[in-house]
Amino acid sequence: ILNVEQSPQSLHVQEGDSTNFTCSFPSSNFYALHWYRWETAKSPEALFVMTLNGDEKKKGRISATLNTKEGYSYLYIKGSQPEDSATYLCASSGNTPLVFGKGTRLSVIA
Amino acid sequence: SQTIHQWPATLVQPVGSPLSLECTVEGTSNPNLYWYRQAAGRGLQLLFYSVGIGQISSEVPQNLSASRPQDRQFILSSKKLLLSDSGFYLCAWSRESTDTQYFGPGTRLTVL
Repeated sequence: ILNVEQSPQSLHVQEGDSTNFTCSFPSSNFYALHWYRWETAKSPEALFVMTLNGDEKKKGRISATLNTKEGYSYLYIKGSQPEDSATYLCASSGNTPLVFGKGTRLSVIA
Repeated sequence: SQTIHQWPATLVQPVGSPLSLECTVEGTSNPNLYWYRQAAGRGLQLLFYSVGIGQISSEVPQNLSASRPQDRQFILSSKKLLLSDSGFYLCAWSRESTDTQYFGPGTRLTVL
């Protein structure tokens, strides 16, 4: 069974600060790494899907990197805004459906 | 475009009562379908997934069951709810089991 770990569990930053958090996953039988954003009272929305070692994806102020050899991915948010407040989930798939981490809850304080 | 529907949005049920949550997908055929639960203070837990009509895989043994009577319909059921069944239930679909999943709006279930 895949075990996907995310850290930190929660994070408070000031508006304008840049931040990052980590997702760790088993590097064996790796197929893809997904990042989702889950805002309160809404359903999770897909941010990125990455498959290749060294992949880097970017969407506005949010970017993500992938290291499949060591089994980790970083999500970066540049110049955090209050609307970035959400839980960020990562999920990994090997030869099974996606396994989600418990998420990093980000709060951006204005 | 594809859309996913879930109902009801919220539900309050007494312990021991039955449960039926429904999920339907539009705009795609033969999707993979999933039921997740988020209990208070916990992450997303995969409960069931289905790769086709009548094909259900259970990830966690419990008093819940799932059925897929039609290609784009996925139902989560229970004969007798427990207090521990309270939580936020999400249905999702994907094209393949390892692809991006698209989530429905969710059902908030409170068992009293």
